Formats: sequence, C-alpha cells, structure tokens
Amino acid sequence: EAQVTQNPRYLITVTGKKLTVTCSQNMNHEYMSWYRQDPGLGLRQIYYSMNVEVTDKGDVPEGYKVSRKEKRNFPLILESPSPNQTSLYFCASWRVTGELFFGEGSRLTVL
Amino acid sequence: DQQVKQNSPSLSVQEGRISILNCDYTNSMFDYFLWYKKYPAEGPTFLISISSIKDKNEDGRFTVFLNKSAKHLSLHIVPSQPGDSAVYFCAARVGAGSYQLTFGKGTKLSVIP
Repeated sequence: EAQVTQNPRYLITVTGKKLTVTCSQNMNHEYMSWYRQDPGLGLRQIYYSMNVEVTDKGDVPEGYKVSRKEKRNFPLILESPSPNQTSLYFCASWRVTGELFFGEGSRLTVL
Repeated sequence: DQQVKQNSPSLSVQEGRISILNCDYTNSMFDYFLWYKKYPAEGPTFLISISSIKDKNEDGRFTVFLNKSAKHLSLHIVPSQPGDSAVYFCAARVGAGSYQLTFGKGTKLSVIP
C-alpha cells in the first residue's frame, strides 16, 4: 500500500528541546515536502526536496531544518522549538500523476 | 501576498443539493489547479485537478470549472452527501516542471442530513 508515514503523530514538548519528526514514503518519489497547517492560514510549505541531497526553503522555513540522505526519508528537525511552532505538520511526496500525496499529520505542541 | 484565495471559510448545504466551493488566484503563471479534501485527524487527500488548457473537468459527483479570464475556479459537488463534510483546499502550481503547490486557506463544508 502506498504510504507516507510520519512519526510521532502527537508530541508535546518544551521550548528549546530539540526534536525530529520523521517522514518516510514507499513510492520511490523523488520530490518530498513539509507543510504546516494553522487555523486561518491553510497549508504553508516549510521545506521541500527535489531529490537526495537537494533541499530548498519553502514559504516558512525559519526555525526548521531538513535533510535528505535517502530517497525515502525526509525528516523535519526543530533544533530549538518555540511556542509559535505549535502546529499540525504534514509530510508529502509527489505522485507521477501530478498531485501531492500527504501523510496523516503530526500534531506538535511546544510549551 | 496571498496568491490563492478561498474567501468563504465555511459553507453549509443540505444533503442532496449542490455544493459550490470557490477559489480565486492572482498569479497568472499558475497553469495547474487541484482540490484537496481534509477530514479531521487525517492528511489532505487529492480530489480533482484541472489544467489551464481546459475549462472543466468532471469526476463522478465532482466537477471543477476554471475561468482563466476571471482567475477563478470552483468545485461543484452534486449531490452533496454528509460524508462530503470536510475542509476543502484549493491549490495551484506554476508550470509542469514545478513541484511547488500554493494552497488557499480552505473552506469548511458541512452537509446537513
């Protein structure tokens, strides 16, 4: 079954404690991306990756890092989380039919 | 600057009637448009798309209309069903080689039984 898998699905952490949200896809897609969803703001792109070792900033990259060492994995790293990063995060990969395929989301709360 | 706008945050429709969700865009370089549906606690799922070379695309109960001169697209759901209650996002892409989607803020559709 085609999947984009994110972990953890839910996380409560404190300001400044580094965390990583993992993302893995089993469809051999080259393109992957991270979005955050906030009330009244819709989906905003954080970072994207065209292929292994190729990443670039999206619309709201501040406070985030990513890496793409393998095609299937695209982790999102918050080096020093702050309360304004409390959000719902989605990882996605690009289907050959031309649309993004999303994971189920990771709800992060930073206290 | 919001390039994809969904001006109605919410919409309520009676079951069996037509639901019309609207989306406006400002970037004339957008040439591919998509609609996503999102249920609570799930990721967005692709619903239907349309290329700028078309003005209509239909898939079952879902039809998307594109008016390029007005920079406007709409999603019609006929007949609406309670299971259609979700948040609908409009998205747009620049060029076939682009991998970046710009999303609207979403419209929450409630279909009343």
